[in-house]
Amino acid sequence: EAQVTQNPRYLITVTGKKLTVTCSQNMNHEYMSWYRQDPGLGLRQIYYSMNVEVTDKGDVPEGYKVSRKEKRNFPLILESPSPNQTSLYFCASSSPRRLAKNIQYFGAGTRLSVL
Amino acid sequence: DAKTTQPTSMDCAEGRAANLPCNHSTISGNEYVYWYRQIHSQGPQYIIHGLKNNETNEMASLIITEDRKSSTLILPHATLRDTAVYYCIADPDGSGNTGKLIFGQGTTLQVKP
Repeated sequence: EAQVTQNPRYLITVTGKKLTVTCSQNMNHEYMSWYRQDPGLGLRQIYYSMNVEVTDKGDVPEGYKVSRKEKRNFPLILESPSPNQTSLYFCASSSPRRLAKNIQYFGAGTRLSVL
Repeated sequence: DAKTTQPTSMDCAEGRAANLPCNHSTISGNEYVYWYRQIHSQGPQYIIHGLKNNETNEMASLIITEDRKSSTLILPHATLRDTAVYYCIADPDGSGNTGKLIFGQGTTLQVKP
């Protein structure tokens, strides 16, 4: 089954304690993205990756890092989480080889609370 | 990216067709119209997309006006499980370079028994 898998689904942590949210896709997609969703602000792109070792900032990259060492994995790293990073996070993947390039597949989400 | 305008909320009776409108009057010739939905904080789910012609798949139908300034998503027989926020996104084909979808506020569809 084609899917994007995020872990963990729920996470409560404290300010400054490094954490990683993993994302994996099994569709051999080149493009992967991270979004955060906040009430009243909608979904905003944090980082994206066009392929292995190719990443770039989205609209709200401050406080986040990513890496793309393998095509299927795109972890989101919070080196020193702060309460303003409390949010619902989604990973997504898509393929540029399709005629309509923005058919994206989303993970189930990770709800993060930073105390 | 073309800006889209959708009603904030709509109701629909279970079993009836749900017709969700979207205005995208500034859409350019190469911009597809995509529809996604998000059920209660789950990951957004792709529904359908189109460029000029009307489209139908197992989930929904998409009607695009001839001038492409607006479109309507049709759920032919709405069920309670179709209660969700529906997003209409007009996107240039080239924005696949960032993989970014620009989500507006969407339409909250409430399907009622």
